Amino acid sequence: GQNIDQPTEMTATEGAIVQINCTYQTSGFNGLFWYQQHAGEAPTFLSYNVLDGLEEKGRFSSFLSRSKGYSYLLLKELQMKDSASYLCAVPSGNTPLVFGKGTRLSVIA
Amino acid sequence: SAVISQKPSRDICQRGTSLTIQCQVDSQVTMMFWYRQQPGQSLTLIATANQGSEATYESGFVIDKFPISRPNLTFSTLTVSNMSPEDSSIYLCSVNNPGQGAGYTFGSGTRLTVV
Repeated sequence: GQNIDQPTEMTATEGAIVQINCTYQTSGFNGLFWYQQHAGEAPTFLSYNVLDGLEEKGRFSSFLSRSKGYSYLLLKELQMKDSASYLCAVPSGNTPLVFGKGTRLSVIA
Repeated sequence: SAVISQKPSRDICQRGTSLTIQCQVDSQVTMMFWYRQQPGQSLTLIATANQGSEATYESGFVIDKFPISRPNLTFSTLTVSNMSPEDSSIYLCSVNNPGQGAGYTFGSGTRLTVV
């Protein structure tokens, strides 16, 4: 089965950089996803990593180390609208995603 | 990416009643997934809906409480039966977009309050 761990809450300042970590244990790795979820809304896809290294996509980057069972989401130039929950997820085999508990990020002025 | 239309977006229901949630996808997909998100929590998978066969339920979820239909490759329903206040949650359907790493798309969610 899957076991996913990420911090519950984080606070960061507007314009700063924040790193949200995720550790996972899975039987058979098939990639790792990050999702953003604003309060009251559905999750939206941010990134997918299947190979080691850093994937950059604008202000957001995601890193993966398969040997360490570790990923992080890096958010640069934080904006108030980035206040949301960030969910780390891994597929269960080839199919449904299993989610971590999510990290609630608060961006303050 | 697939586009999912989910309805109703919200409902307030009396305990003991049932509510059926619908998801319509704009393309044919093999599997659809149903999740529950309790207040302040992350998403928990309820079941996988397969076309032409019974849904596969996760531990802690049973067909009598959450019957699922999957009449074709673009549509599925989840019923929350004999509701109690503990069923108050957001319910979401999801599909896996074709292509590795394309991500999973979610419906907009159904916010259910049981009183």
